[in-house]
Amino acid sequence: TQLLEQSPQFLSIQEGENLTVYCNSSSVFSSLQWYRQEPGEGPVLLVTVVTGGEVKKLKRLTFQFGDARKDSSLHITAAQPGDTGLYLCAGEETSGSRLTFGEGTQLTVNP
Amino acid sequence: DVKVTQSSRYLVKRTGEKVFLECVQDMDHENMFWYRQDPGLGLRLIYFSYDVKMKEKGDIPEGYSVSREKKERFSLILESASTNQTSMYLCASREGRNTQYFGPGTRLTVL
Repeated sequence: TQLLEQSPQFLSIQEGENLTVYCNSSSVFSSLQWYRQEPGEGPVLLVTVVTGGEVKKLKRLTFQFGDARKDSSLHITAAQPGDTGLYLCAGEETSGSRLTFGEGTQLTVNP
Repeated sequence: DVKVTQSSRYLVKRTGEKVFLECVQDMDHENMFWYRQDPGLGLRLIYFSYDVKMKEKGDIPEGYSVSREKKERFSLILESASTNQTSMYLCASREGRNTQYFGPGTRLTVL
């Protein structure tokens, strides 16, 4: 089983600050997905990155896939209280459609 | 609007009881998945299914079984519930390598 290490596990910041969440593995993935989960709900897909070195932007969120397709990062600029939630990365195995999930980062943005 | 529904949001059972968790998707997806989510451990795959009557073990299948008699329905069965199976259970469905959609989750407590 491929493993994904996500850091930090917890992050509490003030509104307006920037932050980065990291997702690392020793394995190569065909793609890397980022999800956001709110209390009492299932995770919802934010973005999928497929190509090594790819950068995708979603408003104030920037996602990057490492050149070797083993790691990824999520950067949030000027965080807002509405960004509060559990952020999960998930790597797709090169064969099949299974996803391996990281441990998650619980982000709290204080007003 | 795509939908994955789970039969219960909250469930309380006693040790030794047989527990059924039901999941239904309305998107005609071939792939369906059962995960459990525990703090600090992320989502761990219990079982998945690529087609009707087909099942594959995930990373933590011990103590669980599944059933997929119809394409839209994937059931998770705890043959004899134990306290260490207290967790959040998430069902998901996916077509090929497209977006994976999650249900809202069932929070199971085993006393």
